[in-house]
Amino acid sequence: AQSVTQLDSQVPVFEEAPVELRCNYSSSVSVYLFWYVQYPNQGLQLLLKYLSGSTLVKGINGFEAEFNKSQTSFHLRKPSVHISDTAEYFCAVSDQGNAGNMLTFGGGTRLMVKP
Amino acid sequence: NAGVMQNPRHLVRRRGQEARLRCSPMKGHSHVYWYRQLPEEGLKFMVYLQKENIIDESGMPKERFSAEFPKEGPSILRIQQVVRGDSAAYFCASSGLAGVLDTQYFGPGTRLTVL
Repeated sequence: AQSVTQLDSQVPVFEEAPVELRCNYSSSVSVYLFWYVQYPNQGLQLLLKYLSGSTLVKGINGFEAEFNKSQTSFHLRKPSVHISDTAEYFCAVSDQGNAGNMLTFGGGTRLMVKP
Repeated sequence: NAGVMQNPRHLVRRRGQEARLRCSPMKGHSHVYWYRQLPEEGLKFMVYLQKENIIDESGMPKERFSAEFPKEGPSILRIQQVVRGDSAAYFCASSGLAGVLDTQYFGPGTRLTVL
């Protein structure tokens, strides 16, 4: 079984400032890692995913994340945020041995970008 | 190409009634996942279905909850004799392939309120 911890439930930040949303996971097996974004009253949209290869993954909207196996982390970063980035962000993992790709989600981090 | 459709978007039921939530996957997708998001929590996996088959229902409550994905028509999540604790957002996701080879695309969710 896996678990995902998003340490910050809310992250306020000013527009054009950098941001990092933290994600740590625990698992007894190798996992795949994902970040999803949820805008108000909408479904989740995939930002990026790590399957294998380079530990630095680039996604949509200027976001990137780095997989750190020794620290079991997959933090999401953006060098300069916009007002439109205000949303809920979810980190998720999937067991590599899981043929069905069921996702285990963290509790979410609400990013609030202020002008 | 229309995305994942869910209806209704909002559903209000009184305790003891039945709730039926519908999910139409993206065109060409034959894998459907249901997740539940309780207030202030992350999404929790409930069930994974392929056409006419339940593949994994390890996240489904043992009683009152059932899901189906018939050969024709949408996937249905049914909750019998609803209780206040069933109030949550229910999200459906679909993919074209099993496993991480394909992304899960999420619908906008159905927000169930039990009075």
